[in-house]
Amino acid sequence: GENVEQHPSTLSVQEGDSAVIKCTYSDSASNYFPWYKQELGKRPQLIIDIRSNVGEKKDQRIAVTLNKTAKHFSLHITETQPEDSAVYFCAASIVTSYDKVIFGPGTSLSVIP
Amino acid sequence: GAVVSQHPSWVICKSGTSVKIECRSLDFQATTMFWYRQFPKQSLMLMATSNEGSKATYEQGVEKDKFLINHASLTLSTLTVTSAHPEDSSFYICSTPRGIGELFFGEGSRLTVL
Repeated sequence: GENVEQHPSTLSVQEGDSAVIKCTYSDSASNYFPWYKQELGKRPQLIIDIRSNVGEKKDQRIAVTLNKTAKHFSLHITETQPEDSAVYFCAASIVTSYDKVIFGPGTSLSVIP
Repeated sequence: GAVVSQHPSWVICKSGTSVKIECRSLDFQATTMFWYRQFPKQSLMLMATSNEGSKATYEQGVEKDKFLINHASLTLSTLTVTSAHPEDSSFYICSTPRGIGELFFGEGSRLTVL
């Protein structure tokens, strides 16, 4: 089955700096890669996703890149703000009619004012 | 607004009792519901996948007799933790795919077993 690894497990950055989180996946058939942000005690919120037919996607301060050959994808947050502090999870899925989504172990991001 | 409503948001029970958690899909039909468990400072671990009208599919290592999942209708899926023990204390959260890929999560249920 699919296995998703994520690094780093914790990340501290100064406000205004960039943050990068990297993930790798094992199943070459995976074709959908979402990123979720989870605040303490709350449900995960989708922040951005990318499909295998795209190499990069950007939404304001957030961008995601995908390298299918190497089976890794990354989340980039620019101009970080204190409210970006949360746990971020990458995930991978095979989108063939509601296939299960496997999550990485998570990255705890702290943005220091 | 919320797409999936999950109740209760938190529950405290005595060891040996059973606890039922409900997830309802709002304004759409949820054919599939994923149930995840999340221990403190850990990731979401998939426990099982339920499909309306059929038996749930459990992930390796998850006891199906302990975690009973029912998906009797297109708008309701339930997880019952039977004979709960302190080690079952965790954050349980349901999610359903809508469209191609994106998951919609319930609010989560924090279970504490004394």
